[in-house]
Amino acid sequence: GENVEQHPSTLSVQEGDSAVIKCTYSDSASNYFPWYKQELGKRPQLIIDIRSNVGEKKDQRIAVTLNKTAKHFSLHITETQPEDSAVYFCAASKGNAGNMLTFGGGTRLMVKP
Amino acid sequence: DVKVTQSSRYLVKRTGEKVFLECVQDMDHENMFWYRQDPGLGLRLIYFSYDVKMKEKGDIPEGYSVSREKKERFSLILESASTNQTSMYLCASLGGGNQPQHFGDGTRLSIL
Repeated sequence: GENVEQHPSTLSVQEGDSAVIKCTYSDSASNYFPWYKQELGKRPQLIIDIRSNVGEKKDQRIAVTLNKTAKHFSLHITETQPEDSAVYFCAASKGNAGNMLTFGGGTRLMVKP
Repeated sequence: DVKVTQSSRYLVKRTGEKVFLECVQDMDHENMFWYRQDPGLGLRLIYFSYDVKMKEKGDIPEGYSVSREKKERFSLILESASTNQTSMYLCASLGGGNQPQHFGDGTRLSIL
């Protein structure tokens, strides 16, 4: 089955700096890659996703890149703010729009003011 | 807005008890999921259901069962709770089309 590895497990940055979280996946048939943000005590919420027919996607300060050949994808957050502090999860799926997601282990991002 | 509701935020049970975790969604979604969340391990899929009375095993189904008698409700059952099932349990639902999974707030279950 699919295996998703996520690095780093913790990341501390100064407010205003950029943060990058990387994930690798094992199944070349995976074609949908969402990123979820989970604030302390709250539910995971989708922040951005990318499909395998696209190499990069941006939404304001957040971007995701996908390298299908190398089977890895990354989340980039620019101009980090304290409210970006949370646990971030990457995931991969072969199905449509997130069916049977396999998640990475999560990254705890801490943004220091 | 999609609403996925889990019946309890916190639950404490004893070893050997039969435990029911309930999840209800209000968007008529076909697909529902139960995950377990542990530090460093991310979210691991226990079971999912793509229709009423239908279920499929996920990555870690051992020690769990599920029930989907109505479309809006998906129950996770711990037949005989053990201490290694102490964890955060998350329910999610997914409709058709290119939509993401929507999660509930989670149930933090402690087995003593």
